[in-house]
Amino acid sequence: DTGVSQNPRHKITKRGQNVTFRCDPISEHNRLYWYRQTLGQGPEFLTYFQNEAQLEKSRLLSDRFSAERPKGSFSTLEIQRTEQGDSAMYLCASSAQALYGYTFGSGTRLTVV
Amino acid sequence: SQQGEEDPQALSIQEGENATMNCSYKTSINNLQWYRQNSGRGLVHLILIRSNEREKHSGRLRVTLDTSKKSSSLLITASRAADTASYFCATDSTGGGNKLTFGTGTQLKVEL
Repeated sequence: DTGVSQNPRHKITKRGQNVTFRCDPISEHNRLYWYRQTLGQGPEFLTYFQNEAQLEKSRLLSDRFSAERPKGSFSTLEIQRTEQGDSAMYLCASSAQALYGYTFGSGTRLTVV
Repeated sequence: SQQGEEDPQALSIQEGENATMNCSYKTSINNLQWYRQNSGRGLVHLILIRSNEREKHSGRLRVTLDTSKKSSSLLITASRAADTASYFCATDSTGGGNKLTFGTGTQLKVEL
């Protein structure tokens, strides 16, 4: 499988717990993006990496959110002290260049109860 | 924040008919892209049109771009039931840091 892989597919957690999601991009892609999508809305940008450098973070990304991309390969998105408002689909995408489209993973659906 | 707004929000047509979706955006762009999303899944890239292009075709898809009106349209010809999905436009804004900003989407339902 040469697509973008996200794990887990689903995560149910209790409010206040920490969760971590993983994204494995297409290996030739140096750009990696995280988006969040709630029901009936389009994806909202969270953060963007070029290789291992985190180049941009959205104001949506509160201090409870942190993302890493060690060695410029896979990436992790951690949410600390989860809140019910964090319930959403978290999408990862990668691309080779700015003028190419993104390849998205299938997403991680987070439910905070 | 959402950059674009798609119109209509929902569209229901019969198989074989054409479907047209419109997208309006607010800022100057490098390019505009259209994506499809089947329920509960990730998005699939359909087509990219650069700011200096006015029309582009890919199979049954035709995209137009009018930068003076800050709008784009996606036409799907001879629709099929398998085209049922949500369609999003996304803009790569000038000075936007090479990230895409997505619109709110059009839900297309193609009935047999």
